[in-house]
Amino acid sequence: EPEVTQTPSHQVTQMGQEVILRCVPISNHLYFYWYRQILGQKVEFLVSFYNNEISEKSEIFDDQFSVERPDGSNFTLKIRSTKLEDSAMYFCASLRLAGASYNEQFFGPGTRLTVL
Amino acid sequence: KNQVEQSPQSLIILEGKNCTLQCNYTVSPFSNLRWYKQDTGRGPVSLTIMTFSENTKSNGRYTATLDADTKQSSLHITASQLSDSASYICVVPSNTGNQFYFGTGTSLTVIP
Repeated sequence: EPEVTQTPSHQVTQMGQEVILRCVPISNHLYFYWYRQILGQKVEFLVSFYNNEISEKSEIFDDQFSVERPDGSNFTLKIRSTKLEDSAMYFCASLRLAGASYNEQFFGPGTRLTVL
Repeated sequence: KNQVEQSPQSLIILEGKNCTLQCNYTVSPFSNLRWYKQDTGRGPVSLTIMTFSENTKSNGRYTATLDADTKQSSLHITASQLSDSASYICVVPSNTGNQFYFGTGTSLTVIP
């Protein structure tokens, strides 16, 4: 069964460093998302991406964040200068086109980011 | 403001018992509502998707209901198993599917 994969599973970084979180969505999916979940809190939407551009982004997704689909398979989230409050679990998700809001959204296993 | 709220925040039940989780939403316009199961440290997994025209939908021991007039949904779990211990999250997408609004989840613990 196809699945969304994410790497690394755990990333530890120093405050102020840049991190890149990687995702490989399901191959025939065209909508991509990043979410974060701070420990003990709810899942929060960061950004959605379609046709090589951002469709929508939340207030959390400020200038420190960027997304890219560099090679047609990977979908990356970059945090330019990490802060302590960026420590969270980051989930990638994807779904097919065609009435996107009715399609099932598949989530990856997440990357746990720890900023020291 | 588009919001999804869930209750109770946490629930402990005995194995074999039933339980019902609640979800209220204010997302508008409304197209569908989803229930996800999230095991600790894992990504959410879809249990069911309900459109505005569906009142009840079952997936094994999970039965979801939707009242689009009162903007309420429930998830009923029958004959609970230890493996049902997880967080259950109610999610409502925007009508474009560009954004998904998540509830805070109900943490369910099933004890033997």
